[in-house]
Amino acid sequence: AQTIHQWPVAEIKAVGSPLSLGCTIKGKSSPNLYWYWQATGGTLQQLFYSITVGQVESVVQLNLSASRPKDDQFILSTEKLLLSHSGFYLCAWSLGTGNAEQFFGPGTRLTVL
Amino acid sequence: AQSVTQPDARVTVSEGASLQLRCKYSYSATPYLFWYVQYPRQGLQLLLKYYSGDPVVQGVNSFEAEFSKSNSSFHLQKASVHWSDSAVYFCALSMEGGRALIFGTGTTVSVSP
Repeated sequence: AQTIHQWPVAEIKAVGSPLSLGCTIKGKSSPNLYWYWQATGGTLQQLFYSITVGQVESVVQLNLSASRPKDDQFILSTEKLLLSHSGFYLCAWSLGTGNAEQFFGPGTRLTVL
Repeated sequence: AQSVTQPDARVTVSEGASLQLRCKYSYSATPYLFWYVQYPRQGLQLLLKYYSGDPVVQGVNSFEAEFSKSNSSFHLQKASVHWSDSAVYFCALSMEGGRALIFGTGTTVSVSP
């Protein structure tokens, strides 16, 4: 069975500090991977997607970047956090074909102070 | 432009009562539609999906949804709710071969005893 793991579970960071959030998918080779941001009490906004290692497409940047260093790993990062980066970050995966449904990880809650 | 509208931000129902959550979409091509549920401080779980065929689709936990092309709608229903159904429900539209998933603003469901 496929499992999706996100780390850390939660972070409290200072404005201007760097950030790195991770996501790992196990049990599925060559998945499409996605990053979403959810403001507290809000809807989900897709940030990035990746269909293969080393290839990442930006949907909405929000002064963030993403990388896919391995087939099963997706990283979200920034060198300088803003207050507006606070929220819930969700990683998701889907099969590589068609309009397949996306499966979500447990999320990382980020608080920027 | 493509969009998903959930007109009800919050719904309160009594345990054992029926539930209907509304979802309207705007998309010129064939829609692929999903309902997800989010429990507090967790990721999203897929309830059901519509790709084509029978407009009434069955999902997990006795949820079902009905697709209407003429009304551009995909409403979610459950005949008898349980307190554990209290959560936020998101309707979503898949486009561009599944690489873009547009979410509605969500409906918070509170089930009272």
